Formats: sequence, C-alpha cells, structure tokens
Amino acid sequence: KQEVTQIPAALSVPEGENLVLNCSFTDSAIYNLQWFRQDPGKGLTSLLLIQSSQREQTSGRLNASLDKSSGRSTLYIAASQPGDSATYLCAVSGNTPLVFGKGTRLSVIA
Amino acid sequence: EPEVTQTPSHQVTQMGQEVILRCVPISNHLYFYWYRQILGQKVEFLVSFYNNEISEKSEIFDDQFSVERPDGSNFTLKIRSTKLEDSAMYFCASSQFRSGTGGEKLFFGSGTQLSVL
Repeated sequence: KQEVTQIPAALSVPEGENLVLNCSFTDSAIYNLQWFRQDPGKGLTSLLLIQSSQREQTSGRLNASLDKSSGRSTLYIAASQPGDSATYLCAVSGNTPLVFGKGTRLSVIA
Repeated sequence: EPEVTQTPSHQVTQMGQEVILRCVPISNHLYFYWYRQILGQKVEFLVSFYNNEISEKSEIFDDQFSVERPDGSNFTLKIRSTKLEDSAMYFCASSQFRSGTGGEKLFFGSGTQLSVL
C-alpha cells in the first residue's frame, strides 16, 4: 500500500530565504507526482506535476525534483515571500488513485 | 483559467440526515473524483467516476455514499444517513485524462465543509 510522508511537518522561515520541502513515498511504481498548495479552509491548488519519466519541473520560483528509484521528491522555493505561507501537499499517482502526504505547513515571516 | 466549482461551501446537518454535495467539473474533463479531508488528517480518496459509472472506490465509500452525474455539467456526492464521523472537507476533482496515463493533472474545487451535529 502506497504511503506518502512529508518532512518537516511545519517550517517557519524569514522572508527571502530559499527552502526545501521533502516528500517520500514507499512504492516507486508511480505514474506521476503532484505538489499542491492549500490555504487554511480552502481547496487544493496544483503547483507542479512531474511525470515518472521526468526528473524535475519548474514554475517561477518553484522547482520540484523527482527521484523515483529512491522514492523521493523535493520542492524548492526560492526567495520565499509571506504570500508563500500555506500548507504544501505532495501526492503520487500509481496503480491507486492519488495518495496524499499530510503536508508541510510553511510560515514565511516578514 | 477554468476551475472546478463546488456548492455549498459549508453545510451543517443533523446526524441521520441526507446531504447532497454538488460539483461542476471543468467542461472538457471526462474523469471525476471525490476526496475528503478530516480536520488535521490527510486528504483521502473516496471515489472516481467515468462514463457514467464508478471506476474505483475506497473502503470509506460504503453503501451510505453514492455519486451521480444527473446532467451534462453537475457531479454530486450523496451521503444517505450522515454520521458524526462524516464531518470533513469534501473535495471534488476532475481531470482530462485517465488516472495512470501519467499526464493526468487533477484540478480540485475549493471544497464543501460538512459539519454533522
């Protein structure tokens, strides 16, 4: 059964810092991995999708990498801003429907 | 950008009552999903739907739950007799491609917060 773990559970950084969020998954037989952002009491906004054949995807200040064989992904956020404060969820798609991690709650302090 | 729309945003109901949560998926999407998130827990898969039938469901999706696409635009989740433990945020999602093709980016709605008293 696929399990997705995200470390750390919470992170607080000063504005302007670069940071890395980690995601690991137990079954490497995935089709893709998606990173989402969730604001308190709100829905899920898709940030990046990496297909299993890809190594990374970039969108603006966000860069996500995927190492399928080791079951890991990282989300790199450059030059963090207070508006980046949210919970970031990692989810993998494989033989089962999208399986989510519990998320990393990020606070960027001005 | 097209988006998935869910109504209502909040629903309060008494235990044992029936509720219907509504979703309008993105218009050219063919695959539809319901997920839920109990406060403080992971987002969990409930059911996927394609071509007017359920394609996959989780253990959570028991006989109390049903889904329907009553017309060309709406997708609904019905809970027949709500329990306290059904209190959660319910998310609808849609995708253009079938799960497993690799390129199926899921687009989520903003959710319906269901509170069962």
